[in-house]
Amino acid sequence: IAGITQAPTSQILAAGRRMTLRCTQDMRHNAMYWYRQDLGLGLRLIHYSNTAGTTGKGEVPGGYSVSRANTDDFPLTLASAVPSQTSVYFCASSVDTSGSGANVLTFGAGSRLTVL
Amino acid sequence: GQNIDQPTEMTATEGAIVQINCTYQTSGFNGLFWYQQHAGEAPTFLSYNVLDGLEEKGRFSSFLSRSKGYSYLLLKELQMKDSASYLCAVIDSNYQLIWGAGTKLIIKP
Repeated sequence: IAGITQAPTSQILAAGRRMTLRCTQDMRHNAMYWYRQDLGLGLRLIHYSNTAGTTGKGEVPGGYSVSRANTDDFPLTLASAVPSQTSVYFCASSVDTSGSGANVLTFGAGSRLTVL
Repeated sequence: GQNIDQPTEMTATEGAIVQINCTYQTSGFNGLFWYQQHAGEAPTFLSYNVLDGLEEKGRFSSFLSRSKGYSYLLLKELQMKDSASYLCAVIDSNYQLIWGAGTKLIIKP
């Protein structure tokens, strides 16, 4: 089934530990995104990638890094986790970022991260 | 600053009609999306509007007025499975997506 796979589904992590959330898509979409979703707030963009080999900072990039070595994979790394990074993380992709229907996002199932 | 406003929560009755409003103030406009998100799940695409007017898709319709910075999502013949959060998002002049906080819709029998 075409779509986005995220791993892990959920994780409890000690503060200060390093964590990588994995994201793989099989739709050959050019653009990929990482969002966090917190209760009462809208989806907030952490990092994005318009095409393989390029990345950009979103609204809340602090404490996070990404890489885009190929079209399919877009991992998100927390170098040293802090409790404020407790959230649900969604990976998403779109055909491209040119606007119109090409911007329709397909989301992964999410990764629930708890930092203690 | 850029802002999207939606009601936090709405309640409606099974079989009825409900309208969820979204107002936006953004730097430019290149389209508006509605997504549905069931509790504990990922958002899924419902509709896209870029021109003024009504787009109908089965029981769901979405309306846009660019001059008023306003959109609504209309859900007809409500079913229990429509209980979910509905997210409004606008593409700004830089082709960045700006998200509202979402409207939680509760359907009662």
